[in-house]
Amino acid sequence: RKEVEQDPGPFNVPEGATVAFNCTYSNSASQSFFWYRQDCRKEPKLLMSVYSSGNEDGRFTAQLNRASQYISLLIRDSKLSDSATYLCAVIPGADSWGKFQFGAGTQVVVTP
Amino acid sequence: DAGITQSPRYKITETGRQVTLMCHQTWSHSYMFWYRQDLGHGLRLIYYSAAADITDKGEVPDGYVVSRSKTENFPLTLESATRSQTSVYFCASTELAGGSYNEQFFGPGTRLTVL
Repeated sequence: RKEVEQDPGPFNVPEGATVAFNCTYSNSASQSFFWYRQDCRKEPKLLMSVYSSGNEDGRFTAQLNRASQYISLLIRDSKLSDSATYLCAVIPGADSWGKFQFGAGTQVVVTP
Repeated sequence: DAGITQSPRYKITETGRQVTLMCHQTWSHSYMFWYRQDLGHGLRLIYYSAAADITDKGEVPDGYVVSRSKTENFPLTLESATRSQTSVYFCASTELAGGSYNEQFFGPGTRLTVL
């Protein structure tokens, strides 16, 4: 079993709709969580950090569920420009030396 | 330019040749990482470094060598390239702040093809 797992998709979303997807992690001691966006195998770019209480950045909402060991990303009012692969990243513990564990990514395709 | 850069951006080489991929960051981040990204596998950690002269293996280190004589540079060498090392390689860096690690910042990647 992979330590960080994501549904690869694709999630086909009509423009203006809402889409949500999860990322599960296996290490209960995981400390920090992030969502990255990656376009066409360009470099991943940070979309948002995920805080324990959940956080929102414009149309994007991230949640952390420690009990069930997953993080989620919700995109409201989807734009064509939201089409990308979304990678979750987890820092598994305090002694991890900043090493991330990445999911393989969830592809989102927003259609007109 | 500030940030993290990689060179070359594209490289075609032949099986058995030695190849070095360069990574340079201007933030003086302590931690640097090399990943490869292949379809179906996502990002896989090859090597990482916590500071100059401190490096360690990641998930897929075989066939690769790294060095870090200066904080800002973290070159990755393929000692004898194989076709299975055809991939996109990303360098990343981060820093420890306030007792927790910040997000990793990625370079633009090097697309390597081994014939």
